[in-house]
Amino acid sequence: TQLLEQSPQFLSIQEGENLTVYCNSSSVFSSLQWYRQEPGEGPVLLVTVVTGGEVKKLKRLTFQFGDARKDSSLHITAAQPGDTGLYLCAGAGGSNYKLTFGKGTLLTVNP
Amino acid sequence: SAVISQKPSRDICQRGTSLTIQCQVDSQVTMMFWYRQQPGQSLTLIATANQGSEATYESGFVIDKFPISRPNLTFSTLTVSNMSPEDSSIYLCSVEDTREAYGYTFGSGTRLTVV
Repeated sequence: TQLLEQSPQFLSIQEGENLTVYCNSSSVFSSLQWYRQEPGEGPVLLVTVVTGGEVKKLKRLTFQFGDARKDSSLHITAAQPGDTGLYLCAGAGGSNYKLTFGKGTLLTVNP
Repeated sequence: SAVISQKPSRDICQRGTSLTIQCQVDSQVTMMFWYRQQPGQSLTLIATANQGSEATYESGFVIDKFPISRPNLTFSTLTVSNMSPEDSSIYLCSVEDTREAYGYTFGSGTRLTVV
């Protein structure tokens, strides 16, 4: 069974601060995805990383896939209250459609 | 990307009853997925539904408890049968996201409370 450990579980910061969320596993994933979920909504895809060592940027968000494709990180620069939400990482194994989700990081950005 | 309409958005049900959740997609998709998101837990895949064949269930989930229909390429239902308070959860359907390889689009979820 593939497991994804996501940390921290909760994060409360002030507007303008930087933060990093980590997603770690002992398993290799063919791809890793990051989602953001707001209350009463389903998860919304932010990015997919596929290649070991890959870095993708989405405005103030930077996503990195580990060289061994076992871990990933999400870094947010100058966080804003609109970044508040539940951030989920999800890994796809050999059968790409089958996702393993981390437990999520609940981020609160205070104005 | 595909747009999914999921309903109901929430319901409160008596134990022993059943609830059917519907997902309508605005485009034809091969596979639809059903997830459960329990409080403080990660999303867990319940089953994969292909049109014209029986759904494939993950370990710990059985057809008698979670029957699924997939009558066409844009629609699927998940029924939570003989409910108990342990079934209280958020149920989500999902399809592949056409914008990006390996990504998925989710419905807005059904928040189920069993009393």
